[in-house]
Amino acid sequence: SQTIHQWPATLVQPVGSPLSLECTVEGTSNPNLYWYRQAAGRGLQLLFYSVGIGQISSEVPQNLSASRPQDRQFILSSKKLLLSDSGFYLCAWSVSGGPLHFGNGTRLTVT
Amino acid sequence: DQQVKQNSPSLSVQEGRISILNCDYTNSMFDYFLWYKKYPAEGPTFLISISSIKDKNEDGRFTVFLNKSAKHLSLHIVPSQPGDSAVYFCAASSPGNYKLTFGKGTLLTVNP
Repeated sequence: SQTIHQWPATLVQPVGSPLSLECTVEGTSNPNLYWYRQAAGRGLQLLFYSVGIGQISSEVPQNLSASRPQDRQFILSSKKLLLSDSGFYLCAWSVSGGPLHFGNGTRLTVT
Repeated sequence: DQQVKQNSPSLSVQEGRISILNCDYTNSMFDYFLWYKKYPAEGPTFLISISSIKDKNEDGRFTVFLNKSAKHLSLHIVPSQPGDSAVYFCAASSPGNYKLTFGKGTLLTVNP
């Protein structure tokens, strides 16, 4: 069966520090991969998605970037965090025509 | 521009009664609709979906209804149980599109 691992579960970082969140998927090949963010009181906002290695689409202009160095690995990064980057970050995968399956998320607090 | 709207931020029902969660959409290209359930500090869990060629899909206690002319869908949970207490997100996608557009969610509280 397919599983998705996302870490860390919680993270507190100072403003201006770098960020790296990692997500890996097991049990499937060539999945579509996604990074979503849930800010307080808001819905789920799509940040990035990838349909293959090295293929990244950005949905909103922001202080973040994403990379897919391997088929089942998706990384969310920032060189310098802003206060507004605080939120709940969710990685997800899907295969064509199917629903998204989410990881357990990372609670990021930028102080 | 919010293409998927859940106008009720919260809903409270008694255990054993029916819970009805509503969702409206504006994009007529959407053809696939999903409901997710989310507990605090966890990722959303897929519950049930419906394609635009259907108007109803049922899975155990969960039924989703789609009214294409009204651009409206609803999730019925019957009977409601305290463990159903969570935030429910409605989501939609259009043909050939890898992305889901989510509503802001509705917090359901089922009281014992």
